[in-house]
Amino acid sequence: DGGITQSPKYLFRKEGQNVTLSCEQNLNHDAMYWYRQDPGQGLRLIYYSQIVNDFQKGDIAEGYSVSREKKESFPLTVTSAQKNPTAFYLCASSIGGNDNQPQHFGDGTRLSIL
Amino acid sequence: GQNIDQPTEMTATEGAIVQINCTYQTSGFNGLFWYQQHAGEAPTFLSYNVLDGLEEKGRFSSFLSRSKGYSYLLLKELQMKDSASYLCAVRAGNTPLVFGKGTRLSVIA
Repeated sequence: DGGITQSPKYLFRKEGQNVTLSCEQNLNHDAMYWYRQDPGQGLRLIYYSQIVNDFQKGDIAEGYSVSREKKESFPLTVTSAQKNPTAFYLCASSIGGNDNQPQHFGDGTRLSIL
Repeated sequence: GQNIDQPTEMTATEGAIVQINCTYQTSGFNGLFWYQQHAGEAPTFLSYNVLDGLEEKGRFSSFLSRSKGYSYLLLKELQMKDSASYLCAVRAGNTPLVFGKGTRLSVIA
């Protein structure tokens, strides 16, 4: 079955540590997105990529980094510069970045600080 | 920038009808999406409107008025499993979707 796979489901970060969240899709979608969800805040866009080897900052990119070396993969690194990383992280993809096809979401990764 | 407003919480009775409103302010409007999200799970796509009017999909319908910057999601014959958050998201031009904060719906017996 086609879909978006995020791993791990739960992740714990120590102070000063970088952690990487995985997102893989086999839907052959060009566009991929990372959102952060906090209670009462809705989904906020961190980074997005409309094509391989290109990505753009979203509204809250500080303290995060991404890469898009393959169409299927869009990993998110939460760096030590992100001082409040505890949140639910959602990865999404869509057929294209400039059309009106819906975004499909992975099951999310819940990140907490130790 | 964009501004999207939805009520924070709503409660409705099983079997009833509920309307969840969404108002938005944006330039270059290019479509509005509704998603359902159960607690701790991924959002799932419900509906899409880009032209004025009503789109019906089974028990769920979504309405759009572009001139008023207004949409609503109508849920009929409510079931307990409809208890979830409902997210309104707007697209402006070629930019990614911007999501509202969501409306948490509780369906009670």
